[in-house]
Amino acid sequence: SQQGEEDPQALSIQEGENATMNCSYKTSINNLQWYRQNSGRGLVHLILIRSNEREKHSGRLRVTLDTSKKSSSLLITASRAADTASYFCATERQGKSTFGDGTTLTVKP
Amino acid sequence: NAGVTQTPKFQVLKTGQSMTLQCAQDMNHEYMSWYRQDPGMGLRLIHYSVGAGITDQGEVPNGYNVSRSTTEDFPLRLLSAAPSQTSVYFCASSYLPPGQGRGQPQHFGDGTRLSIL
Repeated sequence: SQQGEEDPQALSIQEGENATMNCSYKTSINNLQWYRQNSGRGLVHLILIRSNEREKHSGRLRVTLDTSKKSSSLLITASRAADTASYFCATERQGKSTFGDGTTLTVKP
Repeated sequence: NAGVTQTPKFQVLKTGQSMTLQCAQDMNHEYMSWYRQDPGMGLRLIHYSVGAGITDQGEVPNGYNVSRSTTEDFPLRLLSAAPSQTSVYFCASSYLPPGQGRGQPQHFGDGTRLSIL
């Protein structure tokens, strides 16, 4: 069964707006990672947050983790057309990664 | 630095045929894994390896075999292809297994798009 579930499934915004995606999971984890997938390509790592961390920043990306609610969010600020892609969270425990079904983000110029 | 290389990029098979999907990495990573991605879904783990000579099953291993004779290579074999195995297959690698140490990203290949008729 899938450990991580993203919400929403699809998101369409205008360039310059912020995009927020959420990930929920069911069991305890060691780490949570966010990946991006452009159409027809493999996944590219964006950011890692460890279970003892609450917030991480990387450029225009902000990730939060709430282990009590078993949830994480990815915020992309000042979005660009080039941010159009699918975004996946991956929870890590016991030597395995489990991916959610992803959020498809469309940024309109 | 090539990273993770998957071949072929596309393949069409008939039901019952067998084939091997190749995966090679040049980063000296110990951990390698195979995933399949079906339309509109995330990745599901097929098999993984924590080092040469060591493999284990993931979430959806049936119909697939793997071996790890070297650190660099991790081929995935379809024994007798079925239409349900039509999917995009991704190979990934990382220095340590997910969740171990302080955590590190998995590096992905660009995938093999497999259609089984």
